[in-house]
Amino acid sequence: IAGITQAPTSQILAAGRRMTLRCTQDMRHNAMYWYRQDLGLGLRLIHYSNTAGTTGKGEVPDGYSVSRANTDDFPLTLASAVPSQTSVYFCASSDGGNNEQFFGPGTRLTVL
Amino acid sequence: GQNIDQPTEMTATEGAIVQINCTYQTSGFNGLFWYQQHAGEAPTFLSYNVLDGLEEKGRFSSFLSRSKGYSYLLLKELQMKDSASYLCASLDSNYQLIWGAGTKLIIKP
Repeated sequence: IAGITQAPTSQILAAGRRMTLRCTQDMRHNAMYWYRQDLGLGLRLIHYSNTAGTTGKGEVPDGYSVSRANTDDFPLTLASAVPSQTSVYFCASSDGGNNEQFFGPGTRLTVL
Repeated sequence: GQNIDQPTEMTATEGAIVQINCTYQTSGFNGLFWYQQHAGEAPTFLSYNVLDGLEEKGRFSSFLSRSKGYSYLLLKELQMKDSASYLCASLDSNYQLIWGAGTKLIIKP
């Protein structure tokens, strides 16, 4: 793989179900991010990780959890999905600081 | 609070020039990013400004005024493929990006 990948591409999920969105990068970037993008709103940061083994909360962390066991992977888990979590989710990575962020192709999630 | 303002939508003609403005107010400032996002795709990096002035990169240029909390993206010789959303984002004191809602640019032949 080259760059940053996400899986699945899209998913329809029943409310109350647990779901993990996967994100993998092969650029050896220290920092990784999860955003959600909703119509009419800017990208909003859910969680981030500045380096393997550490994570932090972004602007909208409630209902989501992350882990960073190694440099490459940064999964996002919805413990019990709700309809308001219907969104497009983007994973991104960077060398941190003021370096540009590279984005994965996104996961379109619909919670019914 | 933190706020990024940019126009929701703009229309321009193929071959023309368009300027997309962005004003920002964030807790601390470590630079201003512009990204391009085609419909249904991921954002891709266009430019980064941290010092006042104009940075030119081919048909695209980006300007920053830190004292005014203002930036613009200038697109010259517009092509149909430039139809996309343009996202302005400010890097705050924690090195987190605060994003505007994006400006949808429509190019007409």
